[in-house]
Amino acid sequence: GAVVSQHPSWVICKSGTSVKIECRSLDFQATTMFWYRQFPKQSLMLMATSNEGSKATYEQGVEKDKFLINHASLTLSTLTVTSAHPEDSSFYICSAGLKGGLVITDTQYFGPGTRLTVL
Amino acid sequence: KQEVTQIPAALSVPEGENLVLNCSFTDSAIYNLQWFRQDPGKGLTSLLLIQSSQREQTSGRLNASLDKSSGRSTLYIAASQPGDSATYLCAVSWGDKIIFGKGTRLHILP
Repeated sequence: GAVVSQHPSWVICKSGTSVKIECRSLDFQATTMFWYRQFPKQSLMLMATSNEGSKATYEQGVEKDKFLINHASLTLSTLTVTSAHPEDSSFYICSAGLKGGLVITDTQYFGPGTRLTVL
Repeated sequence: KQEVTQIPAALSVPEGENLVLNCSFTDSAIYNLQWFRQDPGKGLTSLLLIQSSQREQTSGRLNASLDKSSGRSTLYIAASQPGDSATYLCAVSWGDKIIFGKGTRLHILP
Protein backbone atom coordinates (compact mmCIF):
# COMPACT_ATOMS: atom_id res chain seq x y z
CA GLY A 1 0.00 0.00 0.00
CA ALA A 2 0.90 3.65 -0.29
CA VAL A 3 3.27 4.82 2.41
CA VAL A 4 4.00 8.36 3.53
CA SER A 5 6.94 9.10 5.80
CA GLN A 6 7.81 12.16 7.82
CA HIS A 7 11.15 13.24 9.19
CA PRO A 8 11.91 13.96 11.91
CA SER A 9 9.32 12.22 14.07
CA TRP A 10 10.00 14.66 16.86
CA VAL A 11 12.10 17.76 17.30
CA ILE A 12 12.92 20.13 20.12
CA CYS A 13 14.30 23.53 19.26
CA LYS A 14 15.01 26.87 20.82
CA SER A 15 12.76 29.83 20.30
CA GLY A 16 13.77 31.86 17.26
CA THR A 17 15.25 29.00 15.29
CA SER A 18 13.80 27.44 12.15
CA VAL A 19 12.76 23.84 11.78
CA LYS A 20 12.23 21.88 8.58
CA ILE A 21 9.89 18.90 8.39
CA GLU A 22 9.96 16.55 5.42
CA CYS A 23 7.06 14.59 4.01
CA ARG A 24 7.77 11.86 1.48
CA SER A 25 5.55 9.54 -0.49
CA LEU A 26 7.67 6.40 -0.61
CA ASP A 27 6.09 4.30 -3.32
CA PHE A 28 3.85 6.60 -5.27
CA GLN A 29 3.80 10.03 -6.81
CA ALA A 30 1.73 12.68 -5.14
CA THR A 31 0.65 15.73 -7.06
CA THR A 32 -0.85 17.18 -3.93
CA MET A 33 0.29 17.05 -0.34
CA PHE A 34 -1.50 18.51 2.63
CA TRP A 35 -0.15 19.80 5.91
CA TYR A 36 -2.18 19.59 9.11
CA ARG A 37 -1.58 20.82 12.63
CA GLN A 38 -3.00 19.46 15.85
CA PHE A 39 -2.87 21.34 19.11
CA PRO A 40 -3.44 19.41 22.36
CA LYS A 41 -7.00 18.22 22.75
CA GLN A 42 -7.94 19.76 19.41
CA SER A 43 -8.80 18.17 16.12
CA LEU A 44 -6.43 18.16 13.18
CA MET A 45 -6.69 21.36 11.17
CA LEU A 46 -5.59 21.83 7.60
CA MET A 47 -2.82 24.41 7.30
CA ALA A 48 -2.07 24.39 3.61
CA THR A 49 -2.34 22.50 0.35
CA SER A 50 0.91 21.91 -1.50
CA ASN A 51 0.92 21.29 -5.24
CA GLU A 52 4.05 20.09 -6.98
CA GLY A 53 5.79 22.87 -8.83
CA SER A 54 3.54 25.68 -7.64
CA LYS A 55 2.97 27.82 -4.60
CA ALA A 56 1.10 26.37 -1.66
CA THR A 57 -2.41 27.45 -0.80
CA TYR A 58 -2.78 28.44 2.83
CA GLU A 59 -5.87 28.23 4.95
CA GLN A 60 -7.22 31.34 6.57
CA GLY A 61 -5.29 32.31 9.65
CA VAL A 62 -2.10 30.46 8.68
CA GLU A 63 0.88 32.75 8.11
CA LYS A 64 2.52 31.81 4.84
CA ASP A 65 5.70 33.68 5.70
CA LYS A 66 6.05 31.74 8.90
CA PHE A 67 5.20 28.30 7.56
CA LEU A 68 7.14 27.90 4.35
CA ILE A 69 6.07 25.01 2.16
CA ASN A 70 8.07 23.66 -0.73
CA HIS A 71 6.86 20.87 -2.99
CA ALA A 72 9.84 20.43 -5.25
CA SER A 73 9.08 16.96 -6.52
CA LEU A 74 6.24 14.49 -6.78
CA THR A 75 7.51 12.62 -3.74
CA LEU A 76 8.69 15.34 -1.39
CA SER A 77 7.13 18.30 0.36
CA THR A 78 8.78 20.27 3.15
CA LEU A 79 7.33 22.49 5.84
CA THR A 80 9.68 24.98 7.44
CA VAL A 81 8.60 26.69 10.62
CA THR A 82 10.57 29.92 10.64
CA SER A 83 11.51 31.77 13.81
CA ALA A 84 9.66 29.21 15.88
CA HIS A 85 8.02 30.25 19.13
CA PRO A 86 6.58 28.15 21.96
CA GLU A 87 3.06 28.68 20.61
CA ASP A 88 4.14 26.84 17.46
CA SER A 89 4.64 23.69 19.50
CA SER A 90 2.26 21.23 17.98
CA PHE A 91 1.85 17.99 16.13
CA TYR A 92 2.31 18.39 12.38
CA ILE A 93 0.98 15.75 9.99
CA CYS A 94 1.20 15.58 6.24
CA SER A 95 -0.85 13.60 3.80
CA ALA A 96 -0.43 12.82 0.13
CA GLY A 97 -2.89 12.08 -2.64
CA LEU A 98 -2.13 9.63 -5.44
CA LYS A 99 -1.22 11.08 -8.78
CA GLY A 100 -3.86 10.51 -11.35
CA GLY A 101 -6.84 12.03 -13.06
CA LEU A 102 -8.44 12.79 -9.72
CA VAL A 103 -6.35 14.74 -7.29
CA ILE A 104 -7.77 15.78 -3.99
CA THR A 105 -10.66 13.40 -4.32
CA ASP A 106 -8.25 10.51 -4.29
CA THR A 107 -7.65 8.70 -1.05
CA GLN A 108 -5.14 10.54 1.05
CA TYR A 109 -2.42 8.69 2.86
CA PHE A 110 -1.19 10.15 6.09
CA GLY A 111 2.31 10.41 7.45
CA PRO A 112 3.07 9.42 11.04
CA GLY A 113 3.42 13.02 12.16
CA THR A 114 6.12 15.23 13.66
CA ARG A 115 5.93 16.54 17.19
CA LEU A 116 7.53 19.96 17.49
CA THR A 117 8.41 21.40 20.87
CA VAL A 118 9.75 24.94 20.97
CA LEU A 119 11.48 25.89 24.19
CA LYS B 1 -20.97 24.87 6.56
CA GLN B 2 -19.34 21.45 6.64
CA GLU B 3 -18.76 20.10 10.12
CA VAL B 4 -17.78 16.82 11.73
CA THR B 5 -18.87 15.97 15.25
CA GLN B 6 -17.85 13.04 17.39
CA ILE B 7 -19.79 11.97 20.43
CA PRO B 8 -18.94 11.14 23.13
CA ALA B 9 -15.72 13.04 23.69
CA ALA B 10 -14.56 10.37 26.11
CA LEU B 11 -15.67 6.85 26.92
CA SER B 12 -14.61 4.25 29.48
CA VAL B 13 -15.81 0.67 29.21
CA PRO B 14 -14.80 -2.61 30.88
CA GLU B 15 -12.65 -5.00 28.92
CA GLY B 16 -14.55 -7.45 26.78
CA GLU B 17 -17.52 -5.23 26.06
CA ASN B 18 -18.63 -4.25 22.60
CA LEU B 19 -18.82 -0.53 21.96
CA VAL B 20 -19.87 2.01 19.36
CA LEU B 21 -18.26 5.32 18.52
CA ASN B 22 -20.27 7.91 16.64
CA CYS B 23 -19.39 10.42 13.97
CA SER B 24 -21.87 12.82 12.40
CA PHE B 25 -21.37 15.23 9.55
CA THR B 26 -23.26 17.95 7.76
CA ASP B 27 -23.52 17.93 3.97
CA SER B 28 -24.12 14.40 2.78
CA ALA B 29 -22.21 14.89 -0.50
CA ILE B 30 -19.07 13.24 0.83
CA TYR B 31 -16.40 11.38 -1.12
CA ASN B 32 -15.27 9.14 1.68
CA LEU B 33 -15.02 8.79 5.42
CA GLN B 34 -12.07 7.44 7.35
CA TRP B 35 -11.58 6.28 10.90
CA PHE B 36 -8.19 6.70 12.54
CA ARG B 37 -6.63 5.70 15.80
CA GLN B 38 -4.24 8.04 17.56
CA ASP B 39 -2.15 6.94 20.52
CA PRO B 40 -0.82 9.60 22.90
CA GLY B 41 2.04 11.46 21.32
CA LYS B 42 1.88 9.33 18.21
CA GLY B 43 0.68 9.76 14.67
CA LEU B 44 -2.42 8.52 12.99
CA THR B 45 -3.13 4.90 12.19
CA SER B 46 -5.74 4.42 9.54
CA LEU B 47 -8.34 1.87 10.62
CA LEU B 48 -11.04 1.83 7.98
CA LEU B 49 -11.88 3.83 4.88
CA ILE B 50 -15.43 3.89 3.54
CA GLN B 51 -16.06 5.26 0.07
CA SER B 52 -19.27 7.22 -0.49
CA SER B 53 -20.75 4.29 -2.43
CA GLN B 54 -20.18 1.85 0.41
CA ARG B 55 -22.28 1.10 3.48
CA GLU B 56 -19.70 -0.55 5.68
CA GLN B 57 -16.17 -1.85 6.01
CA THR B 58 -14.81 -4.49 8.34
CA SER B 59 -11.34 -5.25 9.61
CA GLY B 60 -10.91 -7.79 12.36
CA ARG B 61 -12.86 -6.67 15.40
CA LEU B 62 -13.69 -3.34 13.80
CA ASN B 63 -16.71 -2.52 11.72
CA ALA B 64 -17.48 0.92 10.34
CA SER B 65 -20.81 1.85 8.84
CA LEU B 66 -21.85 4.83 6.76
CA ASP B 67 -25.29 6.34 6.33
CA LYS B 68 -24.90 9.36 4.11
CA SER B 69 -28.55 10.33 4.15
CA SER B 70 -28.52 10.80 7.90
CA GLY B 71 -24.96 12.10 7.97
CA ARG B 72 -23.71 9.42 10.33
CA SER B 73 -20.98 6.86 10.67
CA THR B 74 -20.34 4.45 13.48
CA LEU B 75 -17.25 2.52 14.47
CA TYR B 76 -18.10 -0.71 16.21
CA ILE B 77 -15.41 -2.40 18.28
CA ALA B 78 -16.13 -5.94 19.34
CA ALA B 79 -14.71 -7.61 22.44
CA SER B 80 -12.73 -4.59 23.53
CA GLN B 81 -9.20 -4.97 24.88
CA PRO B 82 -6.98 -2.67 26.97
CA GLY B 83 -4.84 -2.19 23.87
CA ASP B 84 -7.76 -0.53 22.18
CA SER B 85 -7.37 2.44 24.49
CA ALA B 86 -6.62 5.44 22.28
CA THR B 87 -8.27 8.42 20.67
CA TYR B 88 -10.39 7.58 17.66
CA LEU B 89 -10.75 10.21 14.97
CA CYS B 90 -13.26 10.42 12.19
CA ALA B 91 -12.28 12.30 9.02
CA VAL B 92 -14.73 13.20 6.27
CA SER B 93 -13.66 14.12 2.76
CA TRP B 94 -15.80 16.36 0.58
CA GLY B 95 -13.25 16.32 -2.20
CA ASP B 96 -12.01 19.84 -1.78
CA LYS B 97 -11.32 19.38 1.89
CA ILE B 98 -11.02 16.88 4.68
CA ILE B 99 -12.38 17.77 8.08
CA PHE B 100 -11.52 15.86 11.21
CA GLY B 101 -13.69 15.42 14.24
CA LYS B 102 -12.23 16.18 17.64
CA GLY B 103 -12.09 12.53 18.46
CA THR B 104 -13.34 10.18 21.13
CA ARG B 105 -10.90 9.22 23.88
CA LEU B 106 -11.50 5.58 24.62
CA HIS B 107 -10.30 3.92 27.80
CA ILE B 108 -10.73 0.19 28.19
CA LEU B 109 -10.72 -0.83 31.84
CA PRO B 110 -8.78 -4.05 32.54
